[in-house]
Amino acid sequence: NAGVTQTPKFRVLKTGQSMTLLCAQDMNHEYMYWYRQDPGMGLRLIHYSVGEGTTAKGEVPDGYNVSRLKKQNFLLGLESAAPSQTSVYFCASLVETVSGANVLTFGAGSRLTVL
Amino acid sequence: AQSVTQPDIHITVSEGASLELRCNYSYGATPYLFWYVQSPGQGLQLLLKYFSGDTLVQGIKGFEAEFKRSQSSFNLRKPSVHWSDAAEYFCAAMNYGGATNKLIFGTGTLLAVQP
Repeated sequence: NAGVTQTPKFRVLKTGQSMTLLCAQDMNHEYMYWYRQDPGMGLRLIHYSVGEGTTAKGEVPDGYNVSRLKKQNFLLGLESAAPSQTSVYFCASLVETVSGANVLTFGAGSRLTVL
Repeated sequence: AQSVTQPDIHITVSEGASLELRCNYSYGATPYLFWYVQSPGQGLQLLLKYFSGDTLVQGIKGFEAEFKRSQSSFNLRKPSVHWSDAAEYFCAAMNYGGATNKLIFGTGTLLAVQP
């Protein structure tokens, strides 16, 4: 049981390049999330998914796209990277319990630098 | 709009001194509340959570937090700080019974510990 795994852990891009971050979870969780973390701004929600085949916008969705074709995977894409997208990206997943004990499990993070 | 506020960006305490980190939330109804800790270059670790019931919540590493509905606050405390507690602390909230289970974070408080 690996929990939430993010790949790659580090990446350097040039402005205008595209890339995809992969988040994989082996806990059969319905909900998955992508956050970005920037100094002094905490973690901000980019996009999220409440189930396979569904996605929705979070607080800062512009410049990103996502897909959830399989329940265990949540992909975050940058079509044309910009320096403002230099950040640390965290993926998380959650299963909603009957008791309401809803706790997110986070990946280790992916550090992206756009030159 | 829903929000979580951590008024203190940076706090410095002496080792062995007590600690209180402030957190206020703005939600239509009482949300689920969480405190996370992040050491430099690391991911997020859940310290404690509040869903309902006893307003004083115990967490890991000797931390506790008190929920005060009248003040919309969920402050984190520790009676005696250790040098290893130096890290960034994030308060977060999630809608109770929300269909999306989105976790909204505060901007974080960076804790420095003096010898």
